[in-house]
Amino acid sequence: QQQVKQSPQSLIVQKGGISIINCAYENTAFDYFPWYQQFPGKGPALLIAIRPDVSEKKEGRFTISFNKSAKQFSLHIMDSQPGDSATYFCAASRRGILNKFYFGSGTKLNVKP
Amino acid sequence: GAGVSQTPSNKVTEKGKYVELRCDPISGHTALYWYRQSLGQGPEFLIYFQGTGAADDSGLPNDRFFAVRPEGSVSTLKIQRTERGDSAVYLCASSLRVGQGPDTQYFGPGTRLTVL
Repeated sequence: QQQVKQSPQSLIVQKGGISIINCAYENTAFDYFPWYQQFPGKGPALLIAIRPDVSEKKEGRFTISFNKSAKQFSLHIMDSQPGDSATYFCAASRRGILNKFYFGSGTKLNVKP
Repeated sequence: GAGVSQTPSNKVTEKGKYVELRCDPISGHTALYWYRQSLGQGPEFLIYFQGTGAADDSGLPNDRFFAVRPEGSVSTLKIQRTERGDSAVYLCASSLRVGQGPDTQYFGPGTRLTVL
């Protein structure tokens, strides 16, 4: 059973547009939600993360929106650039000492110049 | 500074063979994780080390998979009697792991394993 469901599988956006990727989860014990960016041939790199005590977190052009009641969170990339073209993964982990991440299936973003 | 390194970057083996994949975490990171990433999927948790001990090995798919971290730094993932279904990218990550809250996991570039 997939713990974190991610959509869409792929996304094409024009340069300067807004990219939106959505994730949903079921386990209410999850309390940490990071987004990772992965370029071909590289490992995932942390982009931005949020805790459920806030509804939004912004870092530069990247914003996470979090809806605790709906158990959904999303990544918004403003003013998307061709250099943002990569695969994006949402993830979740639950409180406790184990720090085990459950990843979504990924969204391949292509930003066209 | 140096990030997480993994060797080899690519490994091709034949069905039934034994393979070892190595991970060098960031210096000073006490926590180390192994994930498996199949084509078009997100990383799937395999095992987590805190220091030298495996704190959680619930993600290992079967007893053909085993991992060690004898001195609390370098880790080796070992796969016996490899099967074609084991083909994937094996990712290693490390984190500083201070306290009980979540902390940032830093990933290596992965080892692409191909079982023919």
